[in-house]
Amino acid sequence: ETGVTQSPTHLIKTRGQQVTLRCSSQSGHNTVSWYQQALGQGPQFIFQYYREEENGRGNFPPRFSGLQFPNYSSELNVNALELDDSALYLCASSRDRGNYGYTFGSGTRLTVV
Amino acid sequence: TQLLEQSPQFLSIQEGENLTVYCNSSSVFSSLQWYRQEPGEGPVLLVTVVTGGEVKKLKRLTFQFGDARKDSSLHITAAQPGDTGLYLCAGAGAGGTSYGKLTFGQGTILTVHP
Repeated sequence: ETGVTQSPTHLIKTRGQQVTLRCSSQSGHNTVSWYQQALGQGPQFIFQYYREEENGRGNFPPRFSGLQFPNYSSELNVNALELDDSALYLCASSRDRGNYGYTFGSGTRLTVV
Repeated sequence: TQLLEQSPQFLSIQEGENLTVYCNSSSVFSSLQWYRQEPGEGPVLLVTVVTGGEVKKLKRLTFQFGDARKDSSLHITAAQPGDTGLYLCAGAGAGGTSYGKLTFGQGTILTVHP
């Protein structure tokens, strides 16, 4: 079975721009979560989608938004980029909201200049 | 807000030594998940513990979930250079809208010298 695929792998954007990150979930998984990981830190929960509905949100502003599609792939959109948004963005998929573990993608490294 | 304190943050040991990493919280978790992350990669799931007091073994790695489901430990016996990496504990929320959402510890960077 294929794992979680994220694109692009690296991205450089200018402050104030908008960005869309994409994630293909693992086959058979209906839950996708997005995390932000700063250098040297543990990942921080952004939000989760379960069967195409947002199912919980972390402490991130509304300019962070997302979607989950019928095939359970997902997008993370960030508007009005700020320098502090520079981080590794991780997508993780699981069965039934992830209590038994997640499969993570390799992440998208976003740099805002 | 759930917090998960992971310690130590850094660990540098010689091959063959034993080590323990701790994760502690005041919150109850539905499960405690341990991940290992290599540079430039996403975390990879090592184990999930679900029941209070549960102990799981994965070769030289032993994982324990506290009786109250608030804390966990990872013990590595006879560490090898291949164990080098970032180890992350993550607690899954126990109820309501937090169910399954992960709160991560800060991570432990383990370096095992030959």
